[in-house]
Amino acid sequence: SYELTQPPSVSVSPGQTARITCSGDKLGDKYACWYQQRPGQSPILVIYQDNKRPSGIPERFSGSNSGNTATLTISGTQATDEADYYCQAWDSYTGVFGTGTRVTVL
Amino acid sequence: QVQLVQSGAEVKKPGASVKVSCKASGYTFTAYYMHWVRQAPGQGLEWMGWIHPNSGGTNYPQKFQGRVTMTRDTSINTAYMELSRLRSDDTAVYYCARSLTVAGGDPFDYWGQGTLVTVSS
Repeated sequence: SYELTQPPSVSVSPGQTARITCSGDKLGDKYACWYQQRPGQSPILVIYQDNKRPSGIPERFSGSNSGNTATLTISGTQATDEADYYCQAWDSYTGVFGTGTRVTVL
Repeated sequence: QVQLVQSGAEVKKPGASVKVSCKASGYTFTAYYMHWVRQAPGQGLEWMGWIHPNSGGTNYPQKFQGRVTMTRDTSINTAYMELSRLRSDDTAVYYCARSLTVAGGDPFDYWGQGTLVTVSS
């Protein structure tokens, strides 16, 4: 079955840039999306179709996808961005989530 | 506005079944796939399958085949997920989420609030 791998954790200082990677076989041939999940809350969509932001998501969230790696970039990271982030893709009509990355804003 | 409202928390014994509901509002229920995703305590998200409310068609990953059943009642815009032969490692928060398609770049754009299912003797 298809697998997506993320680093368990990323630390970033306020105002700096956080980059979260998501690796999967030929992931660049698929679309990737990203979800943010704060403790005790449902996930919310922050990036879809590799690099599109839903309405209401700040411009500091951006995405890219090429080769075997998709990347979520948070520019000018704020304390409110501290959360778990999951990538997701479709493989043969099956949903696949990444392993998840905890972003800590130090 | 789009809303997915799930049923309340459940406590079940090992071997029992649980049925969780997800009531949709604010959009055409039959136009979107409904998915179920679970999250065990301290763990990541796990996709459990989908149902298309219009046709009733379903797709479950091999891990859950034979144990999960997804149904819907279009008269009340509600989707259901039933998991049988519960084990302690089925203890998790169960979410419903919708998507327009199950291919291409369509994401889970709206999620329910989650339902905690606890399996304990």
